[in-house]
Amino acid sequence: NAGVTQTPKFRILKIGQSMTLQCTQDMNHNYMYWYRQDPGMGLKLIYYSVGAGITDKGEVPNGYNVSRSTTEDFPLRLELAAPSQTSVYFCASRRGQNYEQYFGPGTRLTVT
Amino acid sequence: DAKTTQPNSMESNEEEPVHLPCNHSTISGTDYIHWYRQLPSQGPEYVIHGLTSNVNNRMASLAIAEDRKSSTLILHRATLRDAAVYYCILAGSGGGADGLTFGKGTHLIIQP
Repeated sequence: NAGVTQTPKFRILKIGQSMTLQCTQDMNHNYMYWYRQDPGMGLKLIYYSVGAGITDKGEVPNGYNVSRSTTEDFPLRLELAAPSQTSVYFCASRRGQNYEQYFGPGTRLTVT
Repeated sequence: DAKTTQPNSMESNEEEPVHLPCNHSTISGTDYIHWYRQLPSQGPEYVIHGLTSNVNNRMASLAIAEDRKSSTLILHRATLRDAAVYYCILAGSGGGADGLTFGKGTHLIIQP
């Protein structure tokens, strides 16, 4: 199993541009998550999904959108990028409640 | 989720045991204690979790105080690869289905 994969690894965006961060897992996990991590800080939850077609907001959802059309994929969309969205983004998945989360390697995004 | 308190950093020597403390005085009866770690430039990885009894796995041991207001992650024989940020996280009986709340964690430094 490849586990949780994320693309791209790095990206530089100009203010106002849009992009989609891709996340795929091959473990058939129902639960998927998007977090962001600012320098020296812990991770903050952006959005999560408990199954295909079901998504919900986390702690910091403003400026982002998600969709979950398949079990495997959970893309994160940034519309109108702002410097405050400069961060490292991690996708994670888990089989269900009370199971551990598996994290991807992250996408480092810079908005200038 | 209830809050946890961890030291900002700790230092230990290679091949010696490491005891990482975590205080969670407001823990509720249904909160599980989770530990994750994050190696440099990587996503977090699961270490261990427990509810009331001490737990052991191939990576570490988790010792939980009788009143559950504190816990200790034990690395039995630290290696250089164990240098990471360690996060102590409380999650409800649903296992944090809506995501995990990460603090700043403890930065563990291993000296050769």
